[in-house]
Amino acid sequence: QKEVEQNSGPLSVPEGAIASLNCTYSDRGSQSFFWYRQYSGKSPELIMFIYSNGDKEDGRFTAQLNKASQYVSLLIRDSQPSDSATYLCAVNDQAGTALIFGKGTTLSVSS
Amino acid sequence: GAVVSQHPSWVICKSGTSVKIECRSLDFQATTMFWYRQFPKQSLMLMATSNEGSKATYEQGVEKDKFLINHASLTLSTLTVTSAHPEDSSFYICSARGGAQPQHFGDGTRLSIL
Repeated sequence: QKEVEQNSGPLSVPEGAIASLNCTYSDRGSQSFFWYRQYSGKSPELIMFIYSNGDKEDGRFTAQLNKASQYVSLLIRDSQPSDSATYLCAVNDQAGTALIFGKGTTLSVSS
Repeated sequence: GAVVSQHPSWVICKSGTSVKIECRSLDFQATTMFWYRQFPKQSLMLMATSNEGSKATYEQGVEKDKFLINHASLTLSTLTVTSAHPEDSSFYICSARGGAQPQHFGDGTRLSIL
C-alpha cells in the first residue's frame, strides 16, 4: 500500500515566522513530489513541485527533498495570514501519472 | 498558467437523478484527466484516471457503472454520477495533465443529493 503521511496539525505560527511542513512517503520508486494548497471549500492549487534531491526555492516557498530518507518538506518564509490553509503533499506513482495525496496539514498564521 | 475549468460548481438534486460534471483544459491538451472525491475534512481520493480515447481506469472500490467517465477529446472529460443517492454527496474535483505538465485542478463540484 503506497502511503503519504503528513501531520494533520493544526500548525500555528505567528505572522512573519517560518512555517515548516513535513511529509514522508512509502514508495521508494516515487519520482515527483508536489505541494498543493487548499483553502476551505476550494480545490487544491499547485504551489511547488520538486524532482531532485535538495532544495528548490520559489519566492517565499522552499521545497526540500531527501529521497534516501523518503522525506519532503515545504518551508514558508515570512508567513502571512493568507497562507492559512491546508497543505497537501502529493507523490506520483511509479507510472508517473496518478498522484497519491497525504491527508494534509492545516496551517494557521496569526496576525 | 494552466487552467482547468469544471462545471457546474454546485449541484443539488433529488435522489435517483443522474448528474453530469464537465472538466475542460482551457489552454493545453490534457492527455490524462483524473477524477477525485473529497469528503469533509478528508484528503482527496482518486476515483479514476482517464486517457483521451480510451476507457477509464477505476480505483478499487469505485463502481464504474455508477460513475461513468468519458474522455472524448484532449480538452474535455465528463463524469456522470448515475442514479445518485445521498451517500454520493461529496466534493468532486477533476484534474488534468498534459505532457510534462504537473496536474492542475478544476474548481470542483459540490454535489448534494437530497
